[in-house]
Amino acid sequence: GAVVSQHPSRVICKSGTSVKIECRSLDFQATTMFWYRQFPKQSLMLMATSNEGSKATYEQGVEKDKFLINHASLTLSTLTVTSAHPEDSSFYICSAAGRSSYNEQFFGPGTRLTVL
Amino acid sequence: DAKTTQPNSMESNEEEPVHLPCNHSTISGTDYIHWYRQLPSQGPEYVIHGLTSNVNNRMASLAIAEDRKSSTLILHRATLRDAAVYYCILRSGGTSYGKLTFGQGTILTVHP
Repeated sequence: GAVVSQHPSRVICKSGTSVKIECRSLDFQATTMFWYRQFPKQSLMLMATSNEGSKATYEQGVEKDKFLINHASLTLSTLTVTSAHPEDSSFYICSAAGRSSYNEQFFGPGTRLTVL
Repeated sequence: DAKTTQPNSMESNEEEPVHLPCNHSTISGTDYIHWYRQLPSQGPEYVIHGLTSNVNNRMASLAIAEDRKSSTLILHRATLRDAAVYYCILRSGGTSYGKLTFGQGTILTVHP
């Protein structure tokens, strides 16, 4: 299957700082990328959907000004957590789908964010 | 989005078959049934999907009830590496980008 990478795999930051997480599709063109958040012992929660070259669509309750998503190319999407606080500590996971692969999303390995 | 119901947990012995059930009584005619699994501290992994007919691939089989209100993921010979959380998800065929809504899933424990 296709490969999706995330960078960094884990990050620790101070409260009030911003953190950028990258999601790359390594061997296919991802027309759509998704960002999820997962708290300990809970399921994945979809945060937003981004299509290449257009603004992201955020799920209800997700602050678009706090979680900035950019999908500037067919292989890269970034999620920036602005002014992070301890309650933003979570496991952030991206997934990617191509034009012909809506039947299968390819997930990245996740990024563990800890805000002190 | 139509919802799915899965048991919280199941156990199996290594090299035995595992049948993971999923109820989706409010499924619509255009909903695809997807299964993903997630190993600890990793992103989910696609397992299989289907619409109406049973499906087989190298990882598993998917048996879909005739009325489509339930389905069963079948792992033919469980291994220790199959221990994971298994998610049964309905994806609307009407959307253009395959949005997935994850439920709580079934925690599968495989005993040696």
